[in-house]
This record gives sequence, structure tokens and C-alpha cells, in this order.
Amino acid sequence: EPEVTQTPSHQVTQMGQEVILRCVPISNHLYFYWYRQILGQKVEFLVSFYNNEISEKSEIFDDQFSVERPDGSNFTLKIRSTKLEDSAMYFCASSETSGMNYGYTFGSGTRLTVV
Amino acid sequence: GQQVMQIPQYQHVQEGEDFTTYCNSSTTLSNIQWYKQRPGGHPVFLIQLVKSGEVKKQKRLTFQFGEAKKNSSLHITATQTTDVGTYFCAGAGGFKTIFGAGTRLFVKA
Repeated sequence: EPEVTQTPSHQVTQMGQEVILRCVPISNHLYFYWYRQILGQKVEFLVSFYNNEISEKSEIFDDQFSVERPDGSNFTLKIRSTKLEDSAMYFCASSETSGMNYGYTFGSGTRLTVV
Repeated sequence: GQQVMQIPQYQHVQEGEDFTTYCNSSTTLSNIQWYKQRPGGHPVFLIQLVKSGEVKKQKRLTFQFGEAKKNSSLHITATQTTDVGTYFCAGAGGFKTIFGAGTRLFVKA
């Protein structure tokens, strides 16, 4: 079964450093998403991406965050100047359509720890 | 903004008992999705409901979408230990899907 692949599985970074989280969505999917989940809490929407541009973003997704699809397969989330409160599990997801007709396939996540 | 509320937050059941989690949206939804997340895992898509009043079944799981398309429920009949995890409803609107807080199910053998 097709999978969404995320790397690394765990990232530890010092406060103030930049991190890039990588995702390879399912090849025939057109819509891509980043969600985060602080330990034990709900899954929070960050951003959706379609046709090489951001479709929608949440209030969490401020100037500290950016997304990019540098080539035909990778989808990245960059966090500039990380803060302690950025520590969370970050999930990438993809879907064939905008979610109106299909569910999302989530990757296994990257656990980001900011120290 | 759109909010999706889910209750209860936790549910402890004895194996074989039934379980229900309820989801309510502050706005009318175009569809509702349900996901399951095992401890330490990632959300896994279970099902999507689109039509008003829709009911779908997957083995022991029954999903309902309210007539007003603002609420939904997931009912598990005769829980098993493999059902443990957190069940999230998620309401779609635009280019995003907003997750409820989830109901964590504990099943005692």
C-alpha cells in the first residue's frame, strides 16, 4: 500500500536553530498538508499546499514557518529560529483531492525536540 | 473559525462492552472524516461521511452523520483490545480538515 514517508523520524535541535522536515507524499496525490501534535494533545492543522502554492494556513503557521516542494517528490516544512514550544510531532499528509471526497494519508511523523 | 468538539475525552471499557464517541461542529460541514491513532502512531483514515443522515458500517464500527451535518458519532460494538487508541473526528472545509480533540479508548481484557 502506498505510504507517505517522513524523515527524520526524530530531530533534536537547539532553540534558535533552523530545521527542515522532509516528506515524500504518495506519488499520484495532488494535495499536501502539514499537521502538528503536541504530546497528548489534538492534531492541529498548519498548512495545505496545492499546485505549488499554499492553499490555506492556520494562525499557527506564521512567518517562522515555510513550505516548499523543491522537486516532483519532496515536500518540506522549514521552521526558522525554533522555540521550545515548537517541540511536537509533525505529520505530513497527502490526498488525491482536497479532502472533499477522500481521507488523508498520514506519514509516521517527525518528532521535533527543541532544547 | 471552525471548531470541532469531541466527547468524551477518555473512555475506559471492559472488553466486550460498547463504546461511542460524539463529535460536534460549530459550522455545517461538507463532510466528516474519522481517524484512529494507536499509541505512538499516526492518524489512520477510517471513513468519510458526506450525506446528511448518512450511516456507514465497517464490521463492528458504525458511523453516523447528523441530519444538519453538524454532528457525527462513532459506535464500536463489543470492543476488543485491538480497538485501543484515540479516535478523532475531522471536519473538512476548504483546503483543510480540522480535527477534534479525540477520544482515547482504553479496553480492559
